[in-house]
Amino acid sequence: SAVISQKPSRDICQRGTSLTIQCQVDSQVTMMFWYRQQPGQSLTLIATANQGSEATYESGFVIDKFPISRPNLTFSTLTVSNMSPEDSSIYLCSVAPGQGYGYTFGSGTRLTVV
Amino acid sequence: SQKIEQNSEALNIQEGKTATLTCNYTNYSPAYLQWYRQDPGRGPVFLLLIRENEKEKRKERLKVTFDTTLKQSLFHITASQPADSATYLCALRSGSARQLTFGSGTQLTVLP
Repeated sequence: SAVISQKPSRDICQRGTSLTIQCQVDSQVTMMFWYRQQPGQSLTLIATANQGSEATYESGFVIDKFPISRPNLTFSTLTVSNMSPEDSSIYLCSVAPGQGYGYTFGSGTRLTVV
Repeated sequence: SQKIEQNSEALNIQEGKTATLTCNYTNYSPAYLQWYRQDPGRGPVFLLLIRENEKEKRKERLKVTFDTTLKQSLFHITASQPADSATYLCALRSGSARQLTFGSGTQLTVLP
């Protein structure tokens, strides 16, 4: 299965600033997914990122707040923009394997906005 | 609207017993149902996948059942150990979509 390197693992940021989270995969993958996990909650999909096209955002998430880049088949970034304390969460990237296989997740970025 | 529910937020069992976790879904036609383990501060780790046309899947001490009529999956850990203590998440994927939709998770504690 794929191996994902996600960084930073954690950060404490000031209100109003932006943070960019990176995910590097050790193999080429078509789709990458970005999830948010708020404290004590399950995972909520933010967007799906395909190489060479605009990311597809889920209801409640917008590109201006969570811009995503997918410059090639092994790399993606998620930026959390103009942060507020409500953005404090764990952010996770994930890749989809072929049909019938489990998904692989990065280790997550724990973001605290103060 | 689509909904995925896992039986309880927390489940405590004695070491050596079988843990049974439940995942129920509504307004969904999943092609695959998956179970993941998540430890504190870590991303989910894939455990087992079962397809809509499969009734049961096993892997070592783990067993998953899938009843599309009841819209339910059961996840069993036999001969449980304290190291099995973690949060377990079920996740569904429909045939057309590639993304997973997750349940709320069940925190399992195996007591020595």
